Amino acid sequence: QKEVEQDPGPLSVPEGAIVSLNCTYSNSAFQYFMWYRQYSRKGPELLMYTYSSGNKEDGRFTAQVDKSSKYISLFIRDSQPSDSATYLCAMTKSGGYQKVTFGIGTKLQVIP
Amino acid sequence: EADIYQTPRYLVIGTGKKITLECSQTMGHDKMYWYQQDPGMELHLIHYSYGVNSTEKGDLSSESTVSRIRTEHFPLTLESARPSHTSQYLCASSDSTTDTQYFGPGTRLTVL
Repeated sequence: QKEVEQDPGPLSVPEGAIVSLNCTYSNSAFQYFMWYRQYSRKGPELLMYTYSSGNKEDGRFTAQVDKSSKYISLFIRDSQPSDSATYLCAMTKSGGYQKVTFGIGTKLQVIP
Repeated sequence: EADIYQTPRYLVIGTGKKITLECSQTMGHDKMYWYQQDPGMELHLIHYSYGVNSTEKGDLSSESTVSRIRTEHFPLTLESARPSHTSQYLCASSDSTTDTQYFGPGTRLTVL
């Protein structure tokens, strides 16, 4: 079983919808949580990162971490066709020299 | 804004050729990484470095080698390219506090 589980999708939503993307993980030592957006044939772009539990908001994006459930989410409000991409969750333990564990990525398509 | 660069962006080369993929970053990050990613597939860590003269193999076995002589530079070399090496190669670097990784645009390698 993988340390980080993420549904690969694809997920299709109409423009303007609220999108919910999720990951579960098994290692309780993970402390830093990140979301990346990757357009086709491009490198992943960091969207948000959070430390430990809680919420973080940045424009139309909200990241949530529930460490008790080992569950993280990314919400996209008022989704746009330009949000169509693959979204990867990532996480790492605290302390120096820790490798990052990535989810497989969820492919999102926002339909005009 | 991440400042991490990869060259070339695209490379088509014949079997048996030696190639070097370049990666450089201007953020002063100690940690650098190479990932391999096939289209629509997950990221696989093939090499990483935590500083000058430090290199380690990643989770996915790779015939490539890396070097880290300068902090900002982390090239990857294939001594004899084969069609099985056809893939996208992504370089990343991270700061020491959060391990948040910043990716370059990638090199798409095709070996004929």
